[in-house]
Amino acid sequence: GAGVSQTPSNKVTEKGKYVELRCDPISGHTALYWYRQSLGQGPEFLIYFQGTGAADDSGLPNDRFFAVRPEGSVSTLKIQRTERGDSAVYLCASSIPGGGSGNEQFFGPGTRLTVL
Amino acid sequence: GQSLEQPSEVTAVEGAIVQINCTYQTSGFYGLSWYQQHDGGAPTFLSYNALDGLEETGRFSSFLSRSDSYGYLLLQELQMKDSASYFCAVRPQTGANNLFFGTGTRLTVIP
Repeated sequence: GAGVSQTPSNKVTEKGKYVELRCDPISGHTALYWYRQSLGQGPEFLIYFQGTGAADDSGLPNDRFFAVRPEGSVSTLKIQRTERGDSAVYLCASSIPGGGSGNEQFFGPGTRLTVL
Repeated sequence: GQSLEQPSEVTAVEGAIVQINCTYQTSGFYGLSWYQQHDGGAPTFLSYNALDGLEETGRFSSFLSRSDSYGYLLLQELQMKDSASYFCAVRPQTGANNLFFGTGTRLTVIP
């Protein structure tokens, strides 16, 4: 079946602009996660949804970052007043609740955000 | 806090065996996972150790020793397509279901 999809694959914006990144998880996966990955580093957790609610947003770096999942499926990560330091690959992952016996998360291909 | 340290780069010959180590400092976690990521690609799940010991999945094996705060991924019969970055990760007991990733090891397989 279809995996996790993310759009756009690349986004170039100017400093100070607003961007939205979209994630479409695997059908039936109630858990959804956003991570950010800088070059040469591991993914860094941003926010976790269980269903429609944000169960843990402790990884969001500041209040310019916000994410929603209004119907418990598609999620949108929103970044206001973008800064050059926000440039990274934004990864979305989904899983069954708790990740199952293997604690497996299924990742999308990411959105590469470049802030000029 | 959490920290998972890995060697930054490893080079190995096609057909050989390579071990990628992960040493960690964490207040508590549910298990150690390993993910593979090719350049420009998505991280993909390889293996998970909930308990101490060895888990084998085809050419890949993973080991965990909680008493030594140490784990490793073992890749056998290396193929060129195994050239990628490999990350260990834990699900902290203090968090939700998020993964905390290590620093990553870039494996290069040479002919």
